[in-house]
Order: sequence, then C-alpha cells, then structure tokens
Amino acid sequence: DMKVTQMPRYLIKRMGENVLLECGQDMSHETMYWYRQDPGLGLQLIYISYDVDSNSEGDIPKGYRVSRKKREHFSLILDSAKTNQTSVYFCASSLYGGIYEQYFGPGTRLTVL
Amino acid sequence: GQQVQQSPASLVLQEGENAELQCNFSTSLNSMQWFYQRPGGSLVSLFYNPSGTKHSGRLTSTTVIKERRSSLHISSSQTTDSGTYLCALERGNNYAQGLTFGLGTRVSVFP
Repeated sequence: DMKVTQMPRYLIKRMGENVLLECGQDMSHETMYWYRQDPGLGLQLIYISYDVDSNSEGDIPKGYRVSRKKREHFSLILDSAKTNQTSVYFCASSLYGGIYEQYFGPGTRLTVL
Repeated sequence: GQQVQQSPASLVLQEGENAELQCNFSTSLNSMQWFYQRPGGSLVSLFYNPSGTKHSGRLTSTTVIKERRSSLHISSSQTTDSGTYLCALERGNNYAQGLTFGLGTRVSVFP
C-alpha cells in the first residue's frame, strides 16, 4: 500500500523553539520534497532530496534545513521557529525526479506563537 | 509572474452541471498533475497527465503541451465534488526541480 506519512499532524510551538517535522514513505522512492501551503500563496517548494544526504534548496529555503539519512525518511527542521513559519507543511515523494508522479502526505499544521 | 495560472478562481455549480477548469503555464513542463483538496485537507492526486487525455470516472484531464495548457472537466457534478482543484507542473528537464502549483479553483456544488 503506497503511502507517505507525516508526523506530527498538528503542532503548536512558541517563537524561538526548535521544530522537527518527520516524513516517511514506504515506496522506496528516491526523491522527496517539502512544501508549505499558505493562503494566497499556494504551495511552495522548500527543499528537494534526491537521495540520502543529497539535498537541494527549493524556492523558499530560508529558515529551514533538512536531513535525509535513510531513503524512506526525510526531516524538515526549523531552528528557532518564527511566527511567519506558521503554515501547513506537506511532504511528497516520487520514484525519481522530473517525470514521475508525486505522492503527498496528509500535511502537518504548524502554529508558531 | 505566476508561472501557473488557474481559471476561474471560483465556480458555483448546481448538482448535475458540468464544469471545465483551466490551467495555463508560461514555462516548459516535464509533467503535469491535478489535485483535489478539501478545506484543511490533504492533497488527493487526480491525474498525472503530462500530455494527452485521461479519464477517471466523471473526470477528464487534457494536456496540450504546445499550447501550454491543461484542463480538468467535471461531468454531472455532485455535492461531494466541492473543494479546491489544484494543477501543478514539474519544471525540471532531466532532474527534479519540484512542482510549481497554481492557486487553485474553488468549486462549490449545491443540491
């Protein structure tokens, strides 16, 4: 059963706290992605991972970093979270990059107070 | 400017009516996907359609690369079709560059 999972689903943090968002997939996909969705801006790409320890900045990487130590797991880290990082974060994966369908996780709703 | 333009921004239908959602893009594409999203919900992939026409139940997706457009046709709409429809294109040529999304078409279907 092809699946992308995200944990936690909901998270409330105070400004300045560190945040760890986890993503997993059971499809042995090489490429994984992090997006955020904001009203009026749509979904925007934060980071891409082409495989273990092979990551590349997306369109809005500032304030974020990522980690991929296993092919099936991709983490998004916010060091010292800011209120403008309040958003819904989606993880996705694809078999390879470029010409393959992307599968999305259920999203994590992050509120930074 | 916005690389992916969706129209209309919103659409109100009476149950049973058909609808055509448009997606125009200003850049070359590697692939095209259509998604459905309920408010506060996850993204449900409807079609992966880089070119040509695909059907799934009451939905039809048509992508015409040289005209830089893709459309989603909903036939015999139902109240359960209400939600936001998003199109997205992969910009990459030989390697992934991620999806660029449109802002969506919000569809409301009333009985």
